[in-house]
Amino acid sequence: DAKTTQPNSMESNEEEPVHLPCNHSTISGTDYIHWYRQLPSQGPEYVIHGLTSNVNNRMASLAIAEDRKSSTLILHRATLRDAAVYYCIHGGTSYGKLTFGQGTILTVHP
Amino acid sequence: DGGITQSPKYLFRKEGQNVTLSCEQNLNHDAMYWYRQDPGQGLRLIYYSQIVNDFQKGDIAEGYSVSREKKESFPLTVTSAQKNPTAFYLCASESRRQGAFFGQGTRLTVV
Repeated sequence: DAKTTQPNSMESNEEEPVHLPCNHSTISGTDYIHWYRQLPSQGPEYVIHGLTSNVNNRMASLAIAEDRKSSTLILHRATLRDAAVYYCIHGGTSYGKLTFGQGTILTVHP
Repeated sequence: DGGITQSPKYLFRKEGQNVTLSCEQNLNHDAMYWYRQDPGQGLRLIYYSQIVNDFQKGDIAEGYSVSREKKESFPLTVTSAQKNPTAFYLCASESRRQGAFFGQGTRLTVV
């Protein structure tokens, strides 16, 4: 199974940047790194994904370590709506058996 | 619109009854999944299917059954053998490159 390690919880203030780390030391060369977030009583939603290069989209940025054994999801200016559980997973070779860890609970303070 | 649809949103079951949760996707994805989520917990994998007419047990398959007769559909039956079925159930489909897309979930309550 594709295993990832994330901190249980993190806190941030509104309008400040947030860096959410993830370790994925068992990643293989063809695995994409995906990030999802889940709001209460909703299904997880896609945030961002990447393979080797850093990625940016309207929601966040993804910084991938050179050895690909870790990555960081960056929310440039946290808002109250960003408060959620964030999950990091890697797929590709684990395609077809997608397993989630416990994720990181992000709390954003006004 | 392309997406994945779960129904119903809320479901009540009497003890001893089987119930079936629906999951339909029009994303042309081969892989589909069922997860269970209990309050304050992460997602646990029940069953998954990588291709039509084939499915595999996940980590907590006991008391559940699935079928995959069509690419678009992956229904989950919660049987009477599942001793604690009250939970939030999530269905997902996956593209190898784009990742997983989730439905909005079905909240099952045993009454």
